[in-house]
Amino acid sequence: SAVISQKPSRDICQRGTSLTIQCQVDSQVTMMFWYRQQPGQSLTLIATANQGSEATYESGFVIDKFPISRPNLTFSTLTVSNMSPEDSSIYLCSVRQGGAEQYFGPGTRLTVT
Amino acid sequence: KQEVTQIPAALSVPEGENLVLNCSFTDSAIYNLQWFRQDPGKGLTSLLLIQSSQREQTSGRLNASLDKSSGRSTLYIAASQPGDSATYLCAVRGTGTASKLTFGTGTRLQVTL
Repeated sequence: SAVISQKPSRDICQRGTSLTIQCQVDSQVTMMFWYRQQPGQSLTLIATANQGSEATYESGFVIDKFPISRPNLTFSTLTVSNMSPEDSSIYLCSVRQGGAEQYFGPGTRLTVT
Repeated sequence: KQEVTQIPAALSVPEGENLVLNCSFTDSAIYNLQWFRQDPGKGLTSLLLIQSSQREQTSGRLNASLDKSSGRSTLYIAASQPGDSATYLCAVRGTGTASKLTFGTGTRLQVTL
C-alpha cells in the first residue's frame, strides 16, 4: 500500500486568488492523479500527473485553471487558479502502481468565499 | 462511456444486521473493480479490489462479488456496527494500463444502535 499526505488539509480562500495543494507519497509510484469532489457529489478526475512531462487533463479541465507539477515519482502539486465559489470542493490526490489498487490521500477541503 | 450506478443511495440499518450494497456498470470490459469507504469530509479508504478474472474477494466482515458479464458487483457487510457508518463507493477501471477509475455516486450507510 501507499501512504499519501496532502497539504493543506483545508483552506478558506477569497475569490480571484490561487491555492497550491501538495501531495507527497511514501514510495515511488508510476501514476498520480488529481480528483475533485464537489459537495454531495462523487469523484471526478481532473488530470493524470505525468512525471517529467505535462499533465493529461480530462474533458472540462484546462491547464490554465488547474496547473499541475510532478517533479519526481513521489511528489505532485495542483494549483487552483483564479478561484470562484464554484471551486469549493474536496481535492484528492491518488496513486496507482501498475495493475494494483488505487490509493487516495486524505483530501484538501477548499472553501472559496 | 462507462456509467456506474449504486443502489440504494442511502440505507439505515440497526446494529448487527447483514446488508448488501449494489453496484452496476454499463461496460463489461473492465480491468478491475474497487470498493472504497469515505467518512464525511475525508479521503477514500480502499476496502477491496476485485480483478476482472475474479468472482469475489473477502476481508474480515466484508465480501465483494463481481459478475462482469452482467455488469454487477455487490458488497456484503456482515454483522454491521455503528463504526461502519460511512459512504461506500464502487469504482471500475477500464482496460489498458493508463485507464482511469469511474466512480459510482455512492451509498450512504448509517448503522444505528
